[in-house]
Amino acid sequence: EVQLAESGGGVVQPGGSLRLSCAASGFTFSSYWMHWVRQGPGKGLVWVSRLNGDGSSIQYADSVKGRFTISRDNVKNTVYLQMNSLRVDDTAVYYCARANNGAFEIWGQGTMVTVSS
Amino acid sequence: DIQLTQSPSFVSASVGDRVTISCRASRGIGSSLAWYQQKPGTAPKPLIHTASSLQGGVPSRFSGSGSGTDFTLSINSLQPEDFATYYCQQANSFPPTFGGGTKVEIK
Repeated sequence: EVQLAESGGGVVQPGGSLRLSCAASGFTFSSYWMHWVRQGPGKGLVWVSRLNGDGSSIQYADSVKGRFTISRDNVKNTVYLQMNSLRVDDTAVYYCARANNGAFEIWGQGTMVTVSS
Repeated sequence: DIQLTQSPSFVSASVGDRVTISCRASRGIGSSLAWYQQKPGTAPKPLIHTASSLQGGVPSRFSGSGSGTDFTLSINSLQPEDFATYYCQQANSFPPTFGGGTKVEIK
């Protein structure tokens, strides 16, 4: 079964750091672009970052550029999101997603990140 | 960035009704549009890709249409499990963007 499972969320103070992980199973992980999408409390979906199969092409939303770093380990079948200099408005559920032709066809269950003093 | 405007924001409907949701793009995106269904506390579920192609396992009462800037998600004969929030998403140009969502509520 094709699955994505996020972990690493939690409560952190403004200015702090967290690293999210997303473990993939059931498909050839290295063949797919992987994305992070977030959803603030009661808000809509917002794309955060993506990287291609071998990690050589990486892009970020302007709101996180310079603070977040996406990476992947194709041996561990895991994609990561290192989040530094966290702000209150980064509070959200963070989803990893597998894309096919730009559409997000597989989603994880999400992990909650709360930035609060 | 391409802006996606969904309308209406809320729909109040009854079981058995036909519901249509509009998604308008700020510039042409061809057929590069996807639709998702989200229920509270759960991840979005993919419904449609490339404007009109159903994802595997999605009931045939769901359909998508449109191209360019104007797109529609239709739900024929609304079922109890269809009460949820629906989002469109464009995959034509970077960055990927989502519409603001349409909540389908029970009348």
